[in-house]
Amino acid sequence: GAVVSQHPSWVICKSGTSVKIECRSLDFQATTMFWYRQFPKQSLMLMATSNEGSKATYEQGVEKDKFLINHASLTLSTLTVTSAHPEDSSFYICSAPPVPGLAGANEQFFGPGTRLTVL
Amino acid sequence: GQNIDQPTEMTATEGAIVQINCTYQTSGFNGLFWYQQHAGEAPTFLSYNVLDGLEEKGRFSSFLSRSKGYSYLLLKELQMKDSASYLCAVTSYKYIFGTGTRLKVLA
Repeated sequence: GAVVSQHPSWVICKSGTSVKIECRSLDFQATTMFWYRQFPKQSLMLMATSNEGSKATYEQGVEKDKFLINHASLTLSTLTVTSAHPEDSSFYICSAPPVPGLAGANEQFFGPGTRLTVL
Repeated sequence: GQNIDQPTEMTATEGAIVQINCTYQTSGFNGLFWYQQHAGEAPTFLSYNVLDGLEEKGRFSSFLSRSKGYSYLLLKELQMKDSASYLCAVTSYKYIFGTGTRLKVLA
């Protein structure tokens, strides 16, 4: 149990377009999802925390109007990169926090990640 | 502020033992994780420490000293497939990841 999927796994887009990344919890309900960004050879940086039924919480320095996060249901969170530019090219990963009662009760459950390349 | 430090890169030989250190300064502490991450993939869970001491799991062990703000991951009997990045992460009210250590295992 505790599988998180992401779609798409990779995407290439033109500068100025918007890209939506979906993150789904497949066999459990997630009221919260974390969204991370990872540049090459760097660690994961938390961008925001999405919450089902309320507004996302953004980390300092992350533009909420550029990175739109919506937690539409208990199994789906989306990140939309609006007006993407080459500097937004990165690896975006979502994760669900620990779920009481599931195996690995203290660990996050990561999605496989989405590689975004903006030309 | 929040700060988690790890060595940037390490190199070791197949069959050897390597220790990856992590020091942290965070405003809260609910546990420390170690993750392995291969290039282009999501992190995979290795270990979790919340109390001081050593946790052993097969070839991997993790140690924590809360008073010193220090942890290490010990990898024994290194294999080529252990070449990856190793991330230390501390949980307080959120997860904070360290800079990551790229380990290269040589034949």
